[in-house]
Order: sequence, then structure tokens, then C-alpha cells
Amino acid sequence: GAVVSQHPSRVICKSGTSVKIECRSLDFQATTMFWYRQFPKQSLMLMATSNEGSKATYEQGVEKDKFLINHASLTLSTLTVTSAHPEDSSFYICSARGQGRDEQYFGPGTRLTVT
Amino acid sequence: KQEVTQIPAALSVPEGENLVLNCSFTDSAIYNLQWFRQDPGKGLTSLLLIQSSQREQTSGRLNASLDKSSGRSTLYIAASQPGDSATYLCAVKRGSASKIIFGSGTRLSIRP
Repeated sequence: GAVVSQHPSRVICKSGTSVKIECRSLDFQATTMFWYRQFPKQSLMLMATSNEGSKATYEQGVEKDKFLINHASLTLSTLTVTSAHPEDSSFYICSARGQGRDEQYFGPGTRLTVT
Repeated sequence: KQEVTQIPAALSVPEGENLVLNCSFTDSAIYNLQWFRQDPGKGLTSLLLIQSSQREQTSGRLNASLDKSSGRSTLYIAASQPGDSATYLCAVKRGSASKIIFGSGTRLSIRP
């Protein structure tokens, strides 16, 4: 149990376009979802926390107008990278946590390349 | 501000050896500590989770210890195998609803 999926696993987009990444909890209801970013050979950095039906809370230094997060249902959160630039190229990982639960379950990640 | 450090950043050992990965954290007021494994280009797999009241957790060939007072944790891998090659991440939480703070990871390579 406790499976989290991400789609797509890899995406290449042109500079200036927007790209949407989906995060789904497949077998549990995720009241809270987290979005992380990971640069090569570096650790995960939390970008934002989203609670179902509420606005996301962004970490310091993360542009909320550039990284749009929607958590409209208990099984789906989306991250939209708007007006993407090459420096946005990174590995994006989501995680999900059920109501009243401690543990987060991580998705397999999405490799974004902006050309 | 909590900081999590992992040393060494990279480690290469021959197959069959026992090894220890180290993790240190600056704020001992933690809720739990977790060890993850990450294969290249993949997501995270949880290996062991130690609650603040616990001293260690074991799963198969893996044993994780926690010493809150000194701000340290170790991950012991017995009889290492090439399939153990991956990056190992240590992470801590301050509270049950707090965010996870990750260390920078140790890239482990097991030579056949």
C-alpha cells in the first residue's frame, strides 16, 4: 500500500512554455502533499506544502507565481512550472501524507529539461 | 535552524564488506529520523524510521541507530552487495506535522 505516482516521468519543453506535473496517491487519501526539487548530486529541497482544498505554503525563495501548485482532490496535486527557463531543469519529486499519519510516501520523480 | 550532514559524501567498498554511513544533525529536538535510499534518476525508498524515543531499528541487513543527545545516527549495512549501490539519505523531522529536513546524502558504490 501507500503508492504515489508521478506523471510524466520525463518531460522536455522549450524555454518560455509551461509544463504540468501530476502527483497522485493511488491507494490512500493524501490530505497533505509536498513538492521537492533536486539538483544533480544534491539533496532534496522542499519547495512547497499543499493541503487539500487550501492554498499551498511556499518555502522561502520559491516563486509562487512561477511554480503553481493545485491540490484540488485528496488524491491529486499538480505542479505547473510557468514560463520555464533552462535553470528550472531539475528533478521534481512529490510526496504525500495521509490524515493523521506521520509518514510521507514519495513519488518516483519527474525529470524536467528546459531547452 | 536544523542542519543535517552526511559524511562521507561518497564511499566505494568491495562486495561483502560491512559498512557504516554517518548522519549528524544540529538540533537534537527531533520527532523522528529516517533513512532513505535513492537510485539514480529515481524517487526515494524508505529504509528505516526511528522515532525519537527509540535507539535503533533493524531490517534485514540494515541497522540504524539514533543518539539524540549527540545529534548522530548511523546506518550499518552488513555483507554489502552490488545491489546496495545507491545514494543513501538521512532525514529528520522536528514534529509530526513538520517538514522533513534532508541531508546531502552518501553515494555508495559496492564493487563486485
